[in-house]
Amino acid sequence: QVTLKESGPGMLQPSKTLSLTCSFSGFSLSTSGMVVSWIRQPSGKSLEWLAAIDWDGDKYYNPSLKSRLTVSKDTSNTQVFLKITSVDIADTATYYCARRGTVVTYWYFDFWGPGTMVTVSS
Amino acid sequence: IQMTQSPSLLSASVGDRVTLSCKAGQNINNYLAWYQQKLGEAPKLLIYNANSLQTGIPSRFSGSGSGTDFTLTISSLQPEDVATYFCQQYNSWVTFGSGTKLEIK
Repeated sequence: QVTLKESGPGMLQPSKTLSLTCSFSGFSLSTSGMVVSWIRQPSGKSLEWLAAIDWDGDKYYNPSLKSRLTVSKDTSNTQVFLKITSVDIADTATYYCARRGTVVTYWYFDFWGPGTMVTVSS
Repeated sequence: IQMTQSPSLLSASVGDRVTLSCKAGQNINNYLAWYQQKLGEAPKLLIYNANSLQTGIPSRFSGSGSGTDFTLTISSLQPEDVATYFCQQYNSWVTFGSGTKLEIK
């Protein structure tokens, strides 16, 4: 059974660095073809893909946010992390981690975590 | 790639056949997925590769289209289908549409 769960600080101040963790089970990120992505959604708005990391450690970033994002994974291949530097109010959103579908070339997301809400406020 | 969904709000009756539209700003072949998001929940994959039904999704959901124009159809609307529906392209990076909110009349 595939499950993912996000965790984060809940609230942080502008200009700080946001650190998020995605803990998952039911698959291993060391398995060929596996990819975990981060996607966010401001309240009442659409979804924005942020970043991803694959089984081989290759990293993928949304070009419009690339300079502020760092994605990484732990050595046990059961957690993925995302850091966003210099946050501002526009980064207030629910942050999801999601597993990419298992067919390598198709970047749809078949399992999602419940999301963690992050508020940027002074 | 910009994804445009219409309408933004759709009201229909139980049992109706419902059609949601998604248009891509350029040719995305069939690299399109549809998600259902109920209030307070994460998105749920319904359709991938434009017309492939995800495992466990009821057969009343179907997808069609290729190139720039795509459709999600619910053949007989059920009360539990109240949700916002998003399309997503994965031909070039990943982008999502703005969503269609579906409600029961």
